[in-house]
Amino acid sequence: EPEVTQTPSHQVTQMGQEVILRCVPISNHLYFYWYRQILGQKVEFLVSFYNNEISEKSEIFDDQFSVERPDGSNFTLKIRSTKLEDSAMYFCASSLWPGQSPAGNTIYFGEGSWLTVV
Amino acid sequence: KQEVTQIPAALSVPEGENLVLNCSFTDSAIYNLQWFRQDPGKGLTSLLLIQSSQREQTSGRLNASLDKSSGRSTLYIAASQPGDSATYLCAFMNSGGYQKVTFGIGTKLQVIP
Repeated sequence: EPEVTQTPSHQVTQMGQEVILRCVPISNHLYFYWYRQILGQKVEFLVSFYNNEISEKSEIFDDQFSVERPDGSNFTLKIRSTKLEDSAMYFCASSLWPGQSPAGNTIYFGEGSWLTVV
Repeated sequence: KQEVTQIPAALSVPEGENLVLNCSFTDSAIYNLQWFRQDPGKGLTSLLLIQSSQREQTSGRLNASLDKSSGRSTLYIAASQPGDSATYLCAFMNSGGYQKVTFGIGTKLQVIP
């Protein structure tokens, strides 16, 4: 079964450093997302991306964050000047197309990337 | 703003028991509802998706229902097994902002052999 893959699975970085989290969405999907989950808290929406641009973002997704689809397969989340409170599990997700059948708007999540900022 | 609540926060049951996990939401203008499973330190596995126009969905031993009028969804697990032990999350995609999914904090289920 197709799946969303994420790298790295775990990254430790020093405060103030830049981090890039990488994702390969399911190949025929059109919408891409980043979510995060701080330990013990809810999964939170960060950003959605469609047609090479951000389609929606949350208040969490400030200028410290950016997303990019550098080629036809990868989708990245860049966090500039990391802070201790950025420590979380970051999930990449993709969906075919929200307006179609359940198979189309089901969101598929990757295994996540644990980010630890020290 | 959609608020999602899941009760109980944790549940421990003996193997073989049927159980119900509850999820409530405040904004009935939803596009769909998805139930996920999360194993410790792992990603989210989609279990069932219910469209706004539907009342329930079934997959194997799982049955999810949606009642928009009362703002509730339930996930029914029949004949629970130790392998069902995980955290179960409900999540809503709202009409209009259909790229954004709002999650509950989850119910941590332990099935005791």
